[in-house]
Amino acid sequence: QVQLQESGPGLVKPSETLSLTCTVSGGSISSYYWSWIRQPPGKGLEWMGYMYYSGSPDYNPSLKSRITISVDTSKNQFSLKVNSVTAADTAVYYCVGWNYALRAFDIWGQGTMVTVSS
Amino acid sequence: QSALTQPASVSGSPGQSITISCTGTSSDVGGYNYVSWYQQHPGKAPKLMIYDVSNRPSGVSNRFSGSKSGNTASLTISGLQAEDEADYYCCSYTSSTTVVFGGGTKLTVL
Repeated sequence: QVQLQESGPGLVKPSETLSLTCTVSGGSISSYYWSWIRQPPGKGLEWMGYMYYSGSPDYNPSLKSRITISVDTSKNQFSLKVNSVTAADTAVYYCVGWNYALRAFDIWGQGTMVTVSS
Repeated sequence: QSALTQPASVSGSPGQSITISCTGTSSDVGGYNYVSWYQQHPGKAPKLMIYDVSNRPSGVSNRFSGSKSGNTASLTISGLQAEDEADYYCCSYTSSTTVVFGGGTKLTVL
């Protein structure tokens, strides 16, 4: 069964770039649309964007100017970059698989907390 | 895109049924049968409970059911149990080929 594991720094300085990687194990990177979803402390889920390994990404319009999602098939990984971060980007970041047959997110990583602070 | 609208909280006693609503627009909930629901316990990742408005993934209790009318989707939990206490989020595919979540509903089992 497919499993996801996020990795990356837990602390990022304001105005810098947040970079996270998700490693896909137990399955093919071609099986899902790969997505990032975040959750600020005490708040709800926010979809950031997704992409299929061979396609173009779709992004949340509110974040589109600052984020990049990419897929590295050779490493079975996908990544997230968020530019010019502020305290508002402090959140638990989940890497998630969008099952296009179910039209739903059915595989979730455990989540990684990223704090933006100097 | 605007978040889907959910009640902030609902509550019910063990054995009762509750319904959580999720209101969007004709560009998301009303335009597609691609509504999903997620359960999230504190400190845990969300779990898929319903997809395509009313379908349950394997392993999800049949006490959970979903429906849709117009621009509003609903999640019903029957025979409430203490373990159902959690946050619930609806989600919809949109006409912009993006995805939007609801603000979340906290379910309290009294």
